[in-house]
Amino acid sequence: EIVMTQSPATLSVSPGERATLSCRASQSVSSNLAWYQQKPGQAPRLLIYGASTRATGIPARFSGSGSGTEFTLTISSLQSEDYAVYYCQQYNNWPPVTFGQGTKLEIK
Amino acid sequence: EVQLVDSGGGLLQPGGSLRLSCAASGFTFRSYWMSWVRQAPGKGLEWVANIKQDGSEKYFVDSVKGRFTISRDNAENSLYLQMNSLRVEDTAVYYCAREGAYCTNGVCYTHYMDVWGRGTTVTVSS
Repeated sequence: EIVMTQSPATLSVSPGERATLSCRASQSVSSNLAWYQQKPGQAPRLLIYGASTRATGIPARFSGSGSGTEFTLTISSLQSEDYAVYYCQQYNNWPPVTFGQGTKLEIK
Repeated sequence: EVQLVDSGGGLLQPGGSLRLSCAASGFTFRSYWMSWVRQAPGKGLEWVANIKQDGSEKYFVDSVKGRFTISRDNAENSLYLQMNSLRVEDTAVYYCAREGAYCTNGVCYTHYMDVWGRGTTVTVSS
């Protein structure tokens, strides 16, 4: 089973600033990585798949990069609605598909 | 509108059984792999099970193998999760999810979740 490790656990960033979230896989997952956003009381929402492709309707301020074992989600200019928990998920080696433990993005 | 509506959660005792349902609409249900993903209170996401478009392949996380079964009815656009021998550690919000798919350079990829239901809560407690 591939273990996904996200860092940091909590990230404090001011509105308008850039946020950079990291995700590391215990072995290569190629570019088969997705990012999700989850707000309290809501279901997760797909942001990025294929490591760097934005899902339908996702604003351009969200971008994904990386391949192999190291991945990054960047939010270029934080808006109030972006404060949430973010999860990465690998789908290269399955079953099982596996998620990271999440990064909570909070207002600084 | 693409939509998944999951239902069937409840409160039950350890050892009990429950069947979750997911009603799909707004897309060609029979064309997609489908998954169940759960989230224990205050915890992260955990994939539970998935099923191929025609139901011929089914996979489970180790912790539920032999206790949970997944099925689908393509005529009714519905997905199900039958949960038996429930344990306290199965307590979670259970989400139905559609697996997205894309192809690049002649190779197709799936098993990420592009549409999610709102979730249904399962509580196992004595």
